[in-house]
Amino acid sequence: EDKVVQSPLSLVVHEGDTVTLNCSYEVTNFRSLLWYKQEKKAPTFLFMLTSSGIEKKSGRLSSILDKKELFSILNITATQTGDSAIYLCALPRGGNEKLTFGTGTRLTIIP
Amino acid sequence: EPEVTQTPSHQVTQMGQEVILRCVPISNHLYFYWYRQILGQKVEFLVSFYNNEISEKSEIFDDQFSVERPDGSNFTLKIRSTKLEDSAMYFCASIQSSYNSPLHFGNGTRLTVT
Repeated sequence: EDKVVQSPLSLVVHEGDTVTLNCSYEVTNFRSLLWYKQEKKAPTFLFMLTSSGIEKKSGRLSSILDKKELFSILNITATQTGDSAIYLCALPRGGNEKLTFGTGTRLTIIP
Repeated sequence: EPEVTQTPSHQVTQMGQEVILRCVPISNHLYFYWYRQILGQKVEFLVSFYNNEISEKSEIFDDQFSVERPDGSNFTLKIRSTKLEDSAMYFCASIQSSYNSPLHFGNGTRLTVT
């Protein structure tokens, strides 16, 4: 059975700190790994990673994949209160983008 | 930027009642999905839909659930006889093509069954 495990489950830091969120996985026929940010409602797409060692970057957020060790990390530098959210890792199964989600990391940024 | 839209944002219903959750996917998308998230739990896949038929469904998607695309734009999820444990956020999602495309989610419908 495919597994997606995120750590830590919860993280509280002060504004300006840098955080690293982890996602490890066991899936058959790996195709990609996706990171989403969930604030009050819908998960919003952040990154899709398909190749090892290639960093994806968007502003203060970046992510990288290690297909040998089967994990990905999501980094957020100079955190702001608006970064407070649940960060979800997900992997597609099968041929139609059916996603298996991890439990998420709840990130809280204290002003 | 085009969005997936869902209505209503919140639906309260009594146990045993039928509910229909509505979604308007992004217009040029071809693959449609329903996911749900029980409070405090993971986002879970319910069903995928392509070419006017279900392509895959999870164990959760039993005979009480059905999906339809009645008019080429709306995509609906019907629960025939709601149970307390159906209370959750229901997310609709769509993608243009099926391979390595990130899902775009709607804002969800919070279903509360009393």
